Amino acid sequence: QVQLVQSGAEVKKPGASVKVSCKASGYTFTSYDINWVRQATGQGLEWMGWMNPNSGNTGYAQKFQGRVTMTRNTSISTAYMELSSLRSEDTAVYYCARKSDSDYWGQGTLVTVSS
Amino acid sequence: EIVMTQSPATLSVSPGERATLSCRASQSVSSNLAWYQQKPGQAPRLLIYGASTRATGIPARFSGSGSGTEFTLTISSLQSEDFAVYYCQQYNNWPLTFGQGTKVEIK
Repeated sequence: QVQLVQSGAEVKKPGASVKVSCKASGYTFTSYDINWVRQATGQGLEWMGWMNPNSGNTGYAQKFQGRVTMTRNTSISTAYMELSSLRSEDTAVYYCARKSDSDYWGQGTLVTVSS
Repeated sequence: EIVMTQSPATLSVSPGERATLSCRASQSVSSNLAWYQQKPGQAPRLLIYGASTRATGIPARFSGSGSGTEFTLTISSLQSEDFAVYYCQQYNNWPLTFGQGTKVEIK
């Protein structure tokens, strides 16, 4: 069965970076885009960007341009999202999801930014 | 970017009743519209894609309609497990954008 399993919760200080992983199983990793979406507590869903695992091509929401990097390691079917220059407003649950009409989601990774 | 506007923000419905949720796009998204259900502490779950196609395993009481800029999600007879927040999302243009959500609560 298709699964996306994300890395565990992180606590970071302002100005630091965080790298979240998303390990795919149950399908051919390079066949479908991976999207990253975040959700602050009690808030709605915010799309951050996408990556084509086959080509490595990426596209980022303008809000995150210059701070976010999406990469992958095809040998272990894992996608990564790194967000730098963290601030308190980046405290959120970060999700990876397969495809633009996201049929499978990771379980979410809570990133807390606090001094 | 395309702005997605959902209404109402909160919908109070009794179990067994019909619920109708609306989603409007600021410009045409063709039929590239998805609906998701999210319960507290859980990831969103895809209900509808292509504006009207139910995702795998989604009960027939969920239906989607519309195209262009106006879309509707209908839950024909609400079950206890359907009380949740529902989001629409367009994937016709980048950046992908979500509506702000409609909370369906027990009346």
